[in-house]
Amino acid sequence: QVQLVESGGGVVQPGTSLTLSCAASGLAFSSFGMHWVRQAPGKGLEWVSLISYDGSGKTYADSVKGRFTISRDNSKNTLYLQMNSLSAEDTAVYYCAKYETTGGYCDHWGQGTLVTVSS
Amino acid sequence: QSALTQPASVSGSPGQSITISCTGTSSDVGTYNLVSWYQQHPGKAPKLLIYEDIKWPSGVSDRFSGSKSGNTASLTISGLQAEDEADYYCCSYAGRATYVFGTGTKVTVL
Repeated sequence: QVQLVESGGGVVQPGTSLTLSCAASGLAFSSFGMHWVRQAPGKGLEWVSLISYDGSGKTYADSVKGRFTISRDNSKNTLYLQMNSLSAEDTAVYYCAKYETTGGYCDHWGQGTLVTVSS
Repeated sequence: QSALTQPASVSGSPGQSITISCTGTSSDVGTYNLVSWYQQHPGKAPKLLIYEDIKWPSGVSDRFSGSKSGNTASLTISGLQAEDEADYYCCSYAGRATYVFGTGTKVTVL
């Protein structure tokens, strides 16, 4: 079965950087686009970023554009999110999700990793 | 990239039907037949319920149904059950490979 496992979260200071990973198994990883979606404590879901199956296409929410970079290593079945210039507003659980391009939906999600930005 | 508008809360008694609205604009919900709905229980990852406005993924109960009119999509839960108590989110394609989620609706089973 499809498994997505995020890692790399933790407590960091404002202005610093952090890289999240999402290890995928049980699917042909290189055939699917992938999303990052976040959820601040007690708040709703927020789309963060999308990468195409081969990494050639990347899009970002305005709130993270210029600070976050999505990437993938299909040889390692792993998705990444590099986050720079972090602020308290980036505190959230970050989920990776498998993207079904034709239907525009996420049919498999990881369990999430918590990023806390605090001094 | 403004969030789609959902009611903050909806409630109903067991066996009743409830409907959650999701209002966007002509740049997202109103243009693309790519609204999906997700259920999220506390502390859990979201689960896909509906995609392409009205379609069910395999394994999802047909008590959940989607519809759309203009810039507003809707999720109806029929035969409400205690296990349906959760948060619900809509999501729409917004063009140029971007997406936008709804503000979320807390469903309470009375």
